[in-house]
Amino acid sequence: DAMVIQNPRYQVTQFGKPVTLSCSQTLNHNVMYWYQQKSSQAPKLLFHYYDKDFNNEADTPDNFQSRRPNTSFCFLDIRSPGLGDAAMYLCATSREIGGGYNEQFFGPGTRLTVL
Amino acid sequence: AQSVSQHNHHVILSEAASLELGCNYSYGGTVNLFWYVQYPGQHLQLLLKYFSGDPLVKGIKGFEAEFIKSKFSFNLRKPSVQWSDTAEYFCAVQRSGGYQKVTFGTGTKLQVIP
Repeated sequence: DAMVIQNPRYQVTQFGKPVTLSCSQTLNHNVMYWYQQKSSQAPKLLFHYYDKDFNNEADTPDNFQSRRPNTSFCFLDIRSPGLGDAAMYLCATSREIGGGYNEQFFGPGTRLTVL
Repeated sequence: AQSVSQHNHHVILSEAASLELGCNYSYGGTVNLFWYVQYPGQHLQLLLKYFSGDPLVKGIKGFEAEFIKSKFSFNLRKPSVQWSDTAEYFCAVQRSGGYQKVTFGTGTKLQVIP
């Protein structure tokens, strides 16, 4: 089945130690997203790739970076995690066909713990 | 920027009770509207969507939602809930036209008691 896969499902890191979360998709969608979701809060868009074009949200801290080496993979790099970065990180994809159709397909998420 | 309000954070119902979850958005233009559901231990998945046409939208598992433009609302309904409907429900809005980001509400946790 076509899907969005995130690895690992659970990640523990130390304060200030860089960490990378990964996302892959078999849907061949051209848009990939990273969301941060804290407990009892809405998923918050960090950035997205529209094809190869990177689009950062204005309020996303510089501590968060992303890479998309090819259509199928997208990475979230947190350069110096702080305690406030502990959250669930969701990857999503959509197929943008120019008409605003934007159903997003989500991965299971990676729960990040910062010690 | 658009925003989404879900007024009920936690709802507890008995099986067979009727459900209505509120969702209001703040954007005066044309919008696309979504309800996503997250079952325990599972990923977010689309329940239903509205893009245009009939404002009463039917989704999976007996859910429906009604878009009332004058009230900026997109409430989710189900006539008779089941224990398996226990989940968190997120309303989301997107401006229509071209590529626009989707803004999510904070979610409503539904607990259905057998």
